[in-house]
Amino acid sequence: DVKVTQSSRYLVKRTGEKVFLECVQDMDHENMFWYRQDPGLGLRLIYFSYDVKMKEKGDIPEGYSVSREKKERFSLILESASTNQTSMYLCATANPRGGWTEAFFGQGTRLTVV
Amino acid sequence: QKEVEQDPGPLSVPEGAIVSLNCTYSNSAFQYFMWYRQYSRKGPELLMYTYSSGNKEDGRFTAQVDKSSKYISLFIRDSQPSDSATYLCAMRVDSGNTPLVFGKGTRLSVIA
Repeated sequence: DVKVTQSSRYLVKRTGEKVFLECVQDMDHENMFWYRQDPGLGLRLIYFSYDVKMKEKGDIPEGYSVSREKKERFSLILESASTNQTSMYLCATANPRGGWTEAFFGQGTRLTVV
Repeated sequence: QKEVEQDPGPLSVPEGAIVSLNCTYSNSAFQYFMWYRQYSRKGPELLMYTYSSGNKEDGRFTAQVDKSSKYISLFIRDSQPSDSATYLCAMRVDSGNTPLVFGKGTRLSVIA
Protein backbone atom coordinates (compact mmCIF):
# COMPACT_ATOMS: atom_id res chain seq x y z
CA ASP A 1 0.00 0.00 0.00
CA VAL A 2 1.12 3.50 -0.82
CA LYS A 3 1.73 5.53 2.25
CA VAL A 4 1.75 9.32 2.23
CA THR A 5 2.62 10.73 5.61
CA GLN A 6 2.20 14.31 6.66
CA SER A 7 4.25 15.34 9.64
CA SER A 8 1.43 16.86 11.71
CA ARG A 9 -2.34 16.40 11.91
CA TYR A 10 -2.90 19.70 13.70
CA LEU A 11 -0.76 22.83 13.94
CA VAL A 12 -1.30 26.21 15.55
CA LYS A 13 1.07 28.98 14.52
CA ARG A 14 1.28 32.71 15.08
CA THR A 15 0.97 35.36 12.39
CA GLY A 16 4.34 36.08 10.82
CA GLU A 17 5.92 32.74 11.71
CA LYS A 18 7.68 30.68 9.08
CA VAL A 19 5.86 27.35 8.86
CA PHE A 20 7.07 24.07 7.39
CA LEU A 21 4.67 21.30 6.39
CA GLU A 22 6.37 18.04 5.57
CA CYS A 23 5.18 15.21 3.37
CA VAL A 24 6.91 11.87 2.89
CA GLN A 25 5.91 9.05 0.53
CA ASP A 26 7.22 5.51 0.39
CA MET A 27 6.29 4.43 -3.14
CA ASP A 28 8.96 6.08 -5.30
CA HIS A 29 6.43 8.29 -7.09
CA GLU A 30 7.81 11.10 -9.21
CA ASN A 31 4.86 13.47 -8.88
CA MET A 32 3.96 15.19 -5.62
CA PHE A 33 1.36 17.87 -4.95
CA TRP A 34 0.28 20.28 -2.24
CA TYR A 35 -3.38 21.30 -2.03
CA ARG A 36 -5.35 23.33 0.43
CA GLN A 37 -8.99 22.57 1.15
CA ASP A 38 -11.45 25.15 2.38
CA PRO A 39 -15.24 24.96 2.86
CA GLY A 40 -17.02 26.19 -0.23
CA LEU A 41 -13.79 26.41 -2.24
CA GLY A 42 -12.83 22.74 -2.52
CA LEU A 43 -9.31 21.53 -3.24
CA ARG A 44 -6.98 24.11 -4.71
CA LEU A 45 -3.52 23.31 -6.02
CA ILE A 46 -0.69 25.31 -4.46
CA TYR A 47 2.44 23.74 -5.96
CA PHE A 48 3.46 20.48 -7.54
CA SER A 49 6.71 18.76 -8.39
CA TYR A 50 7.41 16.11 -11.01
CA ASP A 51 11.04 15.49 -10.12
CA VAL A 52 13.63 16.20 -7.49
CA LYS A 53 14.46 19.92 -7.35
CA MET A 54 11.68 20.67 -9.84
CA LYS A 55 8.60 22.66 -8.93
CA GLU A 56 5.63 24.16 -10.72
CA LYS A 57 3.17 26.75 -9.48
CA GLY A 58 -0.40 25.69 -9.08
CA ASP A 59 -3.45 27.92 -8.91
CA ILE A 60 -2.68 29.71 -5.63
CA PRO A 61 1.11 29.84 -5.02
CA GLU A 62 1.21 33.30 -3.44
CA GLY A 63 2.57 33.24 0.09
CA TYR A 64 3.95 29.71 -0.28
CA SER A 65 7.12 28.05 -1.46
CA VAL A 66 8.16 24.41 -1.73
CA SER A 67 11.27 22.30 -1.48
CA ARG A 68 12.03 18.89 -2.94
CA GLU A 69 15.57 17.85 -2.17
CA LYS A 70 14.81 14.12 -2.14
CA LYS A 71 12.33 12.16 -4.21
CA GLU A 72 10.32 10.96 -1.23
CA ARG A 73 9.96 14.30 0.55
CA PHE A 74 8.04 17.41 -0.51
CA SER A 75 7.86 20.35 1.87
CA LEU A 76 5.46 23.27 1.81
CA ILE A 77 6.73 26.49 3.36
CA LEU A 78 4.63 29.41 4.50
CA GLU A 79 7.16 32.22 4.44
CA SER A 80 5.22 34.48 6.84
CA ALA A 81 2.02 32.87 8.05
CA SER A 82 -1.16 34.90 7.87
CA THR A 83 -4.65 34.21 9.19
CA ASN A 84 -6.00 33.67 5.67
CA GLN A 85 -3.70 30.66 5.41
CA THR A 86 -5.71 28.86 8.08
CA SER A 87 -6.82 25.77 6.22
CA MET A 88 -6.56 22.01 5.71
CA TYR A 89 -3.41 21.18 3.75
CA LEU A 90 -3.26 17.95 1.78
CA CYS A 91 -0.24 16.35 0.18
CA ALA A 92 -0.64 13.86 -2.68
CA THR A 93 1.57 11.70 -4.87
CA ALA A 94 1.17 10.03 -8.24
CA ASN A 95 3.23 7.89 -10.58
CA PRO A 96 3.26 9.30 -14.14
CA ARG A 97 4.48 6.10 -15.76
CA GLY A 98 1.78 4.34 -17.78
CA GLY A 99 -0.65 7.26 -17.58
CA TRP A 100 -1.41 7.60 -13.91
CA THR A 101 -5.02 7.63 -12.82
CA GLU A 102 -4.73 7.71 -9.07
CA ALA A 103 -3.38 10.31 -6.72
CA PHE A 104 -2.72 9.11 -3.18
CA PHE A 105 -3.40 11.58 -0.41
CA GLY A 106 -2.05 11.99 3.07
CA GLN A 107 -4.31 12.49 6.07
CA GLY A 108 -4.01 16.24 5.94
CA THR A 109 -2.66 18.92 8.25
CA ARG A 110 -5.15 21.30 9.78
CA LEU A 111 -3.27 24.56 10.23
CA THR A 112 -4.61 27.40 12.33
CA VAL A 113 -2.84 30.76 12.20
CA VAL A 114 -3.66 33.04 15.11
CA GLN B 1 -16.33 29.93 -15.48
CA LYS B 2 -14.42 27.43 -13.40
CA GLU B 3 -13.01 24.42 -15.23
CA VAL B 4 -15.00 21.96 -13.10
CA GLU B 5 -18.34 22.72 -11.50
CA GLN B 6 -19.88 20.55 -8.80
CA ASP B 7 -22.92 21.23 -6.66
CA PRO B 8 -21.62 21.29 -3.06
CA GLY B 9 -24.91 20.12 -1.54
CA PRO B 10 -25.31 19.11 1.21
CA LEU B 11 -27.38 16.17 0.04
CA SER B 12 -29.34 14.10 2.55
CA VAL B 13 -31.07 10.85 1.53
CA PRO B 14 -32.69 7.90 3.35
CA GLU B 15 -30.90 4.58 3.50
CA GLY B 16 -31.56 2.51 0.38
CA ALA B 17 -32.06 5.50 -1.91
CA ILE B 18 -30.35 5.91 -5.28
CA VAL B 19 -27.95 8.84 -5.19
CA SER B 20 -26.87 10.83 -8.22
CA LEU B 21 -23.83 13.10 -8.03
CA ASN B 22 -22.79 15.24 -10.98
CA CYS B 23 -20.06 17.47 -12.36
CA THR B 24 -19.79 19.61 -15.45
CA TYR B 25 -16.57 20.79 -17.03
CA SER B 26 -15.40 23.18 -19.70
CA ASN B 27 -12.03 21.77 -20.86
CA SER B 28 -12.65 19.38 -23.77
CA ALA B 29 -9.07 18.05 -23.40
CA PHE B 30 -9.93 16.21 -20.18
CA GLN B 31 -9.62 12.47 -20.73
CA TYR B 32 -9.38 10.98 -17.23
CA PHE B 33 -12.42 11.31 -15.01
CA MET B 34 -12.32 10.28 -11.39
CA TRP B 35 -14.43 10.20 -8.30
CA TYR B 36 -12.83 10.51 -4.89
CA ARG B 37 -14.50 9.87 -1.55
CA GLN B 38 -13.43 11.78 1.52
CA TYR B 39 -14.53 10.84 4.99
CA SER B 40 -14.48 13.44 7.73
CA ARG B 41 -10.94 14.30 8.91
CA LYS B 42 -9.35 12.05 6.27
CA GLY B 43 -7.66 12.59 2.94
CA PRO B 44 -9.56 11.77 -0.29
CA GLU B 45 -9.40 8.23 -1.64
CA LEU B 46 -9.99 7.17 -5.23
CA LEU B 47 -13.36 5.52 -5.67
CA MET B 48 -13.57 5.06 -9.44
CA TYR B 49 -12.05 6.34 -12.63
CA THR B 50 -13.04 6.31 -16.30
CA TYR B 51 -10.89 7.02 -19.31
CA SER B 52 -12.67 8.97 -22.04
CA SER B 53 -16.40 8.29 -22.45
CA GLY B 54 -18.65 5.54 -21.25
CA ASN B 55 -19.85 3.82 -18.12
CA LYS B 56 -18.07 1.89 -15.43
CA GLU B 57 -19.67 -0.17 -12.72
CA ASP B 58 -18.18 -1.36 -9.43
CA GLY B 59 -20.63 -2.96 -7.05
CA ARG B 60 -23.19 -0.36 -6.00
CA PHE B 61 -21.32 2.43 -7.79
CA THR B 62 -21.64 3.45 -11.43
CA ALA B 63 -19.62 6.22 -13.09
CA GLN B 64 -20.80 7.76 -16.35
CA VAL B 65 -19.03 10.17 -18.68
CA ASP B 66 -20.75 12.09 -21.45
CA LYS B 67 -18.02 14.00 -23.27
CA SER B 68 -20.42 15.52 -25.80
CA SER B 69 -22.22 17.27 -22.93
CA LYS B 70 -19.10 17.67 -20.77
CA TYR B 71 -20.95 16.01 -17.93
CA ILE B 72 -20.02 13.21 -15.54
CA SER B 73 -22.09 11.38 -12.97
CA LEU B 74 -21.68 8.99 -10.08
CA PHE B 75 -24.64 6.83 -9.09
CA ILE B 76 -24.84 5.01 -5.79
CA ARG B 77 -27.46 2.29 -5.53
CA ASP B 78 -28.89 1.03 -2.25
CA SER B 79 -27.09 3.79 -0.37
CA GLN B 80 -25.81 2.99 3.12
CA PRO B 81 -24.97 5.19 6.12
CA SER B 82 -21.33 4.23 5.52
CA ASP B 83 -21.56 6.09 2.18
CA SER B 84 -21.88 9.36 4.10
CA ALA B 85 -18.89 11.38 2.96
CA THR B 86 -17.85 14.17 0.64
CA TYR B 87 -17.56 13.08 -3.00
CA LEU B 88 -15.17 14.96 -5.24
CA CYS B 89 -14.98 14.68 -8.98
CA ALA B 90 -11.56 15.14 -10.55
CA MET B 91 -10.28 15.31 -14.09
CA ARG B 92 -7.05 15.56 -16.00
CA VAL B 93 -5.76 15.71 -19.54
CA ASP B 94 -3.87 12.77 -21.00
CA SER B 95 -0.37 14.04 -20.32
CA GLY B 96 2.09 12.62 -17.81
CA ASN B 97 2.75 15.54 -15.50
CA THR B 98 -0.47 17.49 -15.45
CA PRO B 99 -2.23 17.68 -12.09
CA LEU B 100 -5.80 16.80 -11.31
CA VAL B 101 -8.47 19.48 -11.41
CA PHE B 102 -11.06 18.95 -8.68
CA GLY B 103 -14.65 19.92 -8.23
CA LYS B 104 -15.60 21.47 -4.91
CA GLY B 105 -17.10 18.24 -3.61
CA THR B 106 -20.65 17.25 -2.64
CA ARG B 107 -21.34 16.37 0.98
CA LEU B 108 -23.64 13.36 1.20
CA SER B 109 -25.47 12.11 4.29
CA VAL B 110 -27.33 8.79 4.20
CA ILE B 111 -29.79 8.60 7.04
CA ALA B 112 -30.60 5.19 8.59
